[in-house]
Amino acid sequence: EAQLGESGGGLVQPGGSLRLSCAASGFNFNDFQMNWVRLAPGKGLEWVSYISGGSASIYYADSVKGRFTISRDNAKNALYLQMNNLRGEDTALYYCAREYMDGFDIWGQGTTVTVSS
Amino acid sequence: QSLLTQPPSVSAAPGQKVTISCSGSTSRFANNYVSWYQLLPGAAPKLLIYENNKRPSGIPDRFSGSKSGTSATLDITGLQTGDEADYYCGVWHNNLTVLYAFGPGTKVTVL
Repeated sequence: EAQLGESGGGLVQPGGSLRLSCAASGFNFNDFQMNWVRLAPGKGLEWVSYISGGSASIYYADSVKGRFTISRDNAKNALYLQMNNLRGEDTALYYCAREYMDGFDIWGQGTTVTVSS
Repeated sequence: QSLLTQPPSVSAAPGQKVTISCSGSTSRFANNYVSWYQLLPGAAPKLLIYENNKRPSGIPDRFSGSKSGTSATLDITGLQTGDEADYYCGVWHNNLTVLYAFGPGTKVTVL
């Protein structure tokens, strides 16, 4: 069974950094494009970042561009999101999601990031 | 402000049908497939519909999707209390600002 599991969230002060990880299992990880999506309190889903299977193509939402970096290690079946210069508006539940057939078919349970002083 | 438009809420009694609309104003919406996601409280989002009208394995046929031009709909028939959740449409927008756009979400309430 294909599964994703996020980790690395926590409480951080404004301007701080966090690195989120997403562990994949049950499928051939390097065959799939991966994404990070977040859900802020009281708001809707927001796409954050995309990375292709071989890491050749990477994209970011404008709201995180220049501050967040997506990467993957196919040998470890792992996806990462390095988040720097965090702001209050980055407070959210962060999900990793597998892309399939123009949709996101596998999601993790999410990891919570809280940016507050 | 979302690139896609959804009604904030819809409601119906158990056993009835609800329809959730999703509209986009750009050619990217018209030219790309729409997916639908269910977000139950405390759970990970679940893909209900992909490529406008296809259901992943395990999704009951009470959930159906359609799309025409710049508008898509998700129908839920035989409404159950367990269907009470937030529902989001999503589409690849494919520009440098927003690669993938989600709608603002629709809260389904079972009366």
